[in-house]
Amino acid sequence: GEDVEQSLFLSVREGDSSVINCTYTDSSSTYLYWYKQEPGAGLQLLTYIFSNMDMKQDQRLTVLLNKKDKHLSLRIADTQTGDSAIYFCAESLYGQNFVFGPGTRLSVLP
Amino acid sequence: EPEVTQTPSHQVTQMGQEVILRCVPISNHLYFYWYRQILGQKVEFLVSFYNNEISEKSEIFDDQFSVERPDGSNFTLKIRSTKLEDSAMYFCASSDPSGSMHDWPQHFGDGTRLSIL
Repeated sequence: GEDVEQSLFLSVREGDSSVINCTYTDSSSTYLYWYKQEPGAGLQLLTYIFSNMDMKQDQRLTVLLNKKDKHLSLRIADTQTGDSAIYFCAESLYGQNFVFGPGTRLSVLP
Repeated sequence: EPEVTQTPSHQVTQMGQEVILRCVPISNHLYFYWYRQILGQKVEFLVSFYNNEISEKSEIFDDQFSVERPDGSNFTLKIRSTKLEDSAMYFCASSDPSGSMHDWPQHFGDGTRLSIL
């Protein structure tokens, strides 16, 4: 079945860039997503990219997609303490059948 | 901005009891979903619902689970006879893949934390 993998932890210093990586197995995925989950809260949609794109930029967020390697990354520029959270990568076919990764816990150190 | 709302935020129930988790999806969305997240683990798909019927369900969604859209706004998840292992955060989501680009991705509620004693 489909699988999505992420590294579980990432620590960065405030002001540095964070890069969170994700790999997926389903080559038929049409959408790939990044969600943010703060402690005790729900899943906040950060950004998403269609599989026919290779890059999307949205303010401090840059998403890179390497479809050949089935690799997705999320870069957060100028990381702030408020960015500390768990970041979930997810993939889907036509907006349905979401498969989530295990989440990467981002810790931002002052 | 419209959002998915879930109630209650925390539900404590005795094992063996029935529990109903409630969700109000975004009003123009047509697809509704339930997910669960056991503490410290992955978010797992339970069920998707479209046009008043289940469109897909996972192995987790066994006969103890049911979903309903009792009126034009609510979407509920019922667990008939709760087990200890049902303790988790349950998330509702909605989407409209045929709508505007903003509505294509699934939008999630803040979740209901279900604790089974």
